[in-house]
Amino acid sequence: QSVLTQPPSVSAAPGQKVTISCSGSSSNIGNNYVSWYQQFPATAPKLLIYDNNKRPSGIPDRFSGSRSGTSATLDITGLQTGDEADYYCVTWDSSLSAGVFGGGTKLTVL
Amino acid sequence: EVQLLESGGGLLQPGGSLRLSCAASGFTFSSYAMTWVRQAPGKGLEWVSAISGSGGSTYYADSVKGRFTISRDNSKNTLYLQMNGLRAEDAAAYYCAKTQTYYQNFDYWGQGTLVTVSS
Repeated sequence: QSVLTQPPSVSAAPGQKVTISCSGSSSNIGNNYVSWYQQFPATAPKLLIYDNNKRPSGIPDRFSGSRSGTSATLDITGLQTGDEADYYCVTWDSSLSAGVFGGGTKLTVL
Repeated sequence: EVQLLESGGGLLQPGGSLRLSCAASGFTFSSYAMTWVRQAPGKGLEWVSAISGSGGSTYYADSVKGRFTISRDNSKNTLYLQMNGLRAEDAAAYYCAKTQTYYQNFDYWGQGTLVTVSS
């Protein structure tokens, strides 16, 4: 069972918006930055969002992140079929002195 | 161009030992922390271990603490993960990742090396 809780799956139609949540506690999300990763089957993950809401160069602004209290969210607008992938949140846990991932969310673009 | 190339994976029996390597190029290796992340077949990502750029600070997930040791040789631009006392639940693809500022920011990943633990 993951320290960070994500919904196993979300879905939406092309062009729509989807929100993926990531719930934690004061020892992790509440006091540390959150990053988000996108992973396609049989490939290495890719950094989408870091420091809660910053995008690396090359990541379209359709992807955005935010944090409030002990939860974080990843928003994807203007959904495309190519966005179908698994999405993971991750942060540092100050009590564990280790990083912790969410269980991952599979996005289906209907 | 940043490149990370893992090696050393294989089939081991429970209780066995293995050392993974990650050869880095395209950046000043000693200036960056590095992290190992694993993914069991059909499962999610799991943060395993991280090491600071100098090698002076190391961190481990509870699931591997006391069994795995992370290290680095900055003269060889290589990251290592010594894995002892392997268990069935350690079977996974192991990725090394260049770590940016915080131990959850991985801007470059290797292609992964597969570790199988089976009797």
